[in-house]
Amino acid sequence: DIQMTQSPSTLSAFVGDRVTITCRASQSISSWLAWYQQKPGKAPKLLIHKASSLESGVPSRFSGSGSGTEFSLTISSLQPDDFATYYCQQYNSYSLTFGPGTKVDIK
Amino acid sequence: ITLKESGPTLVKPTQTLTLTCTFSGFSLSTSGVGVGWIRQPPGKALEWLALIYWNDDKRYSPSLKSRLTITQDTPKNQVVLTLTNINPVDTATYFCAHTSLVDRGPIPDYWGQGTLVTVSS
Repeated sequence: DIQMTQSPSTLSAFVGDRVTITCRASQSISSWLAWYQQKPGKAPKLLIHKASSLESGVPSRFSGSGSGTEFSLTISSLQPDDFATYYCQQYNSYSLTFGPGTKVDIK
Repeated sequence: ITLKESGPTLVKPTQTLTLTCTFSGFSLSTSGVGVGWIRQPPGKALEWLALIYWNDDKRYSPSLKSRLTITQDTPKNQVVLTLTNINPVDTATYFCAHTSLVDRGPIPDYWGQGTLVTVSS
């Protein structure tokens, strides 16, 4: 199985800050990585697929990068609506795996 | 595209959980389309469970494979997930989601609202 880790587990930031979340895979997954945003009591929302392809309607302040085993999600200027938990997910293997999540909260 | 999960809210340990995903806006007879299940214990991370494709190809989480079964009823636009020998650690919100190999690969892109299942005697 491919294992996913994320860091940090919690991130405290101000509105307007640039924040970066890192996701690592236990083996190479090429660019087969997605990022989701989840708010309390809601289903996750797909933000990015194939490591860096932004979903339609997702603000351009979100960006993804990386390949192989190391990936990142960057929010260029954090907005009040961005405070949420973010998950990465690999889809390189037969079965899919989510990371443990990174909670972004208000500092 | 919309999906909605349905099933029991309370299940006793050792029983079998059966959840139904009823969807609209797409067909599981369309090449490349799939429906998957993901769960989330209260306050914890997402866990991918299973996926079924238009051609009846099925994928399962290795850690739960022996307990999971996913099936489709294409005319009814439904996908059913069963989880046997349920226990309290299976308490979670269960989500179903659409995937399209053509558009993005096997990742969930459209999600249902989720249904909370509690396992308790």
